[in-house]
Amino acid sequence: GAVVSQHPSWVICKSGTSVKIECRSLDFQATTMFWYRQFPKQSLMLMATSNEGSKATYEQGVEKDKFLINHASLTLSTLTVTSAHPEDSSFYICSARASGKVSYNEQFFGPGTRLTVL
Amino acid sequence: QKEVEQDPGPLSVPEGAIVSLNCTYSNSAFQYFMWYRQYSRKGPELLMYTYSSGNKEDGRFTAQVDKSSKYISLFIRDSQPSDSATYLCAMSAPPGGYNKLIFGAGTRLAVHP
Repeated sequence: GAVVSQHPSWVICKSGTSVKIECRSLDFQATTMFWYRQFPKQSLMLMATSNEGSKATYEQGVEKDKFLINHASLTLSTLTVTSAHPEDSSFYICSARASGKVSYNEQFFGPGTRLTVL
Repeated sequence: QKEVEQDPGPLSVPEGAIVSLNCTYSNSAFQYFMWYRQYSRKGPELLMYTYSSGNKEDGRFTAQVDKSSKYISLFIRDSQPSDSATYLCAMSAPPGGYNKLIFGAGTRLAVHP
């Protein structure tokens, strides 16, 4: 149980275009989903927290107009990188916390999406 | 100073060795401590979780938390080549800040036959 999928797993796009990444919880409902970015040989940096049906909370330094997050249902959150530039190239990972699991911060991670902007 | 410090390695050990991975932290509010394993180009998977201080054992893995020293450890006994991965420590504070996991940089471990 507790499987999180991401699609696509790898995307290459041209500078200036937008890219949408999907994150799905396959066998549980996730009231909260998280989006992380990971640069090579670096740790995961939280970009934003999204709660189903409400606006995402962005971390300091993350541009909300550039990284659009939508959490329209209990099993799906999307991250859209708008007007992507080469510096946005990174590994984007989502995670989901199951409804009711708030005793500690157990998050189930997706396999990640590698974005390369040419 | 980063909130969580972790030596990125790489750490190379022979098969069967005992591996010790460590993190230090500066925020005394952290109460939940986790270790994740991440294989190359994959998402992290939770290995161990510990609340507050103490030890926790699960098979070949032992997690230790020393809150007085702000120091956590993960020990891997009888290490196997399949243990080769990046190990990330993560921690969070109680509700109020519990949403946010703060990760260490990750230690790359290579176990060679």
